[in-house]
Amino acid sequence: NAGVTQTPKFRILKIGQSMTLQCAQDMNHNYMYWYRQDPGMGLKLIYYSVGAGITDKGEVPNGYNVSRSTTEDFPLRLELAAPSQTSVYFCASSYSDRGQAFFGQGTRLTVV
Amino acid sequence: KQEVTQIPAALSVPEGENLVLNCSFTDSAIYNLQWFRQDPGKGLTSLLLIQSSQREQTSGRLNASLDKSSGRSTLYIAASQPGDSATYLCAGSLSGAGSYQLTFGKGTKLSVIP
Repeated sequence: NAGVTQTPKFRILKIGQSMTLQCAQDMNHNYMYWYRQDPGMGLKLIYYSVGAGITDKGEVPNGYNVSRSTTEDFPLRLELAAPSQTSVYFCASSYSDRGQAFFGQGTRLTVV
Repeated sequence: KQEVTQIPAALSVPEGENLVLNCSFTDSAIYNLQWFRQDPGKGLTSLLLIQSSQREQTSGRLNASLDKSSGRSTLYIAASQPGDSATYLCAGSLSGAGSYQLTFGKGTKLSVIP
């Protein structure tokens, strides 16, 4: 029962570096999402996808990119990391539009 | 824009007590509302999802209600246990095509004291 799997769990980046946060789900969900969670704040949607090949921006997309080549995978790319991107990143999926959301364990990213 | 508020930010209760967590939202055009549990350093676990056409959902010792007209949802936890200690988040989805975003509250941190 893997559900939603995120890698890595922790990462430290230097300013200007790039990295990809991996997300995979084994529930055959069409809908996938990336959120970031900052201390004392609610989760904010970065990008979402309604199926393979289809992605769209959420509330805070600047500095990030995504792709969805398969139903299972939804990687999040950070280009030119900035301290403002220090956060905990969560990937989620759902079977239906606005259905019950299943979250991964998160990736804690620090940009120094 | 939907805004979700959870009060109080933190709550401490003795074991065995029944308790209510509150969630309020500003846009009555809500499609559904979900309650999540988050343990420290962990992801979110979905507890209950209430559709806009429903008034409440129950799972074990948990009961969630939704009142669209007043813009409120509550999560009732019966006979609280130390294992219930966690942060509880509510999140709403808006009606309308393309409204995929969950709008989250900041959460209520619950501590159940043995």
